[in-house]
Amino acid sequence: DAGVIQSPRHEVTEMGQEVTLRCKPISGHDYLFWYRQTMMRGLELLIYFNNNVPIDDSGMPEDRFSAKMPNASFSTLKIQPSEPRDSAVYFCASSYTGDGQPQHFGDGTRLSIL
Amino acid sequence: GENVEQHPSTLSVQEGDSAVIKCTYSDSASNYFPWYKQELGKRPQLIIDIRSNVGEKKDQRIAVTLNKTAKHFSLHITETQPEDSAVYFCAASKRGSQGNLIFGKGTKLSVKP
Repeated sequence: DAGVIQSPRHEVTEMGQEVTLRCKPISGHDYLFWYRQTMMRGLELLIYFNNNVPIDDSGMPEDRFSAKMPNASFSTLKIQPSEPRDSAVYFCASSYTGDGQPQHFGDGTRLSIL
Repeated sequence: GENVEQHPSTLSVQEGDSAVIKCTYSDSASNYFPWYKQELGKRPQLIIDIRSNVGEKKDQRIAVTLNKTAKHFSLHITETQPEDSAVYFCAASKRGSQGNLIFGKGTKLSVKP
């Protein structure tokens, strides 16, 4: 199993630019989670999907953030326009349906907005 | 909603000593408690988990205990080694929460050789 795959691993861009982060969950997992990690705020849940449908997006900080899951094997997190305070590590995780299922994390995308 | 508090935020031990990290949760309906280890620059990785129908679980040098009455659970690492140095996160979820984990703020463990 290849695990959760995220791309790119690193992204450096100037403020105002659009940023798109990508995630491929583990095959067969029907839950997908997007997290943001910073020193100040720790690990924050942004949004999660079940069977490609967004379930809870209450963690999305602003309208500048949007996420999609067009099919079971692909999800994107988009920031437009980006701001320096969006700099963080963004993790994607996936899990099976059911109570007590562990989430498996990808290697993350380290995003720096200049 | 659920709230998970984790203590201490930092912990320094000598190699070979034991380390204990404690978490409390607020929702008595929580029934699944995983622990994740995150090394510097790496992803969080599941190291052990426990469900509410058991009080203790062990895996080599790592053990987790759960006290449902007091609503707290702890991670125990024995015979610590330098490679145990990392940030450890506890989490909790409840039946019907659709897999949503509530994470603690993390404990930075440093094991000095």
